[in-house]
Amino acid sequence: DTGVSQDPRHKITKRGQNVTFRCDPISEHNRLYWYRQTLGQGPEFLTYFQNEAQLEKSRLLSDRFSAERPKGSFSTLEIQRTEQGDSAMYLCASSLALRDTQYFGPGTRLTVL
Amino acid sequence: AQTVTQSQPEMSVQEAETVTLSCTYDTSESDYYLFWYKQPPSRQMILVIRQEAYKQQNATENRFSVNFQKAAKSFSLKISDSQLGDAAMYFCAYRSEFTGGGNKLTFGTGTQLKVEL
Repeated sequence: DTGVSQDPRHKITKRGQNVTFRCDPISEHNRLYWYRQTLGQGPEFLTYFQNEAQLEKSRLLSDRFSAERPKGSFSTLEIQRTEQGDSAMYLCASSLALRDTQYFGPGTRLTVL
Repeated sequence: AQTVTQSQPEMSVQEAETVTLSCTYDTSESDYYLFWYKQPPSRQMILVIRQEAYKQQNATENRFSVNFQKAAKSFSLKISDSQLGDAAMYFCAYRSEFTGGGNKLTFGTGTQLKVEL
């Protein structure tokens, strides 16, 4: 296993722009999670996929956020019309089964100017 | 909703000494998992240790052990023979066993551990 990978690792954008992040889970892991971590805080759950189905979304995931996992492998997280409050580390994690350990990627650090 | 509290923003330990990080949680559920994750600077989060709530025996992984007190809803992490590589942010996390809970993790705010020579 090569581990969970995320791209890009850093993204700087201007307020109002759209950004898209990608997460590649560990192969054969059918569960994929997105979390957001702001400075000085622990990660907060955003959304969760089982294969290609998005099964749960947090209230933190406003209408400007959308996540997809079209073929049940990699996932994308898009933020439209970014705001300064969106600045954070966006973490992706995957697990093989429902009760298995979640393995985290290195994260994408977003800075909105 | 479940909450996880880490009341120690920072802790320091001398190399080769022992340190204990505290974590308390609040839940009305009886079946759940608890975790300690380590997040080194600019590196990804890795699992240190996990504890199933139905197990009375405390989990141990090499130099890392937990003190799980279910009635008190307390889950502390003990690091023995501390090493420089242990310096990191440590997060306590809760996961429900209720299948409708989606398996998401609820994290505390973290404890920054410094290891001094």
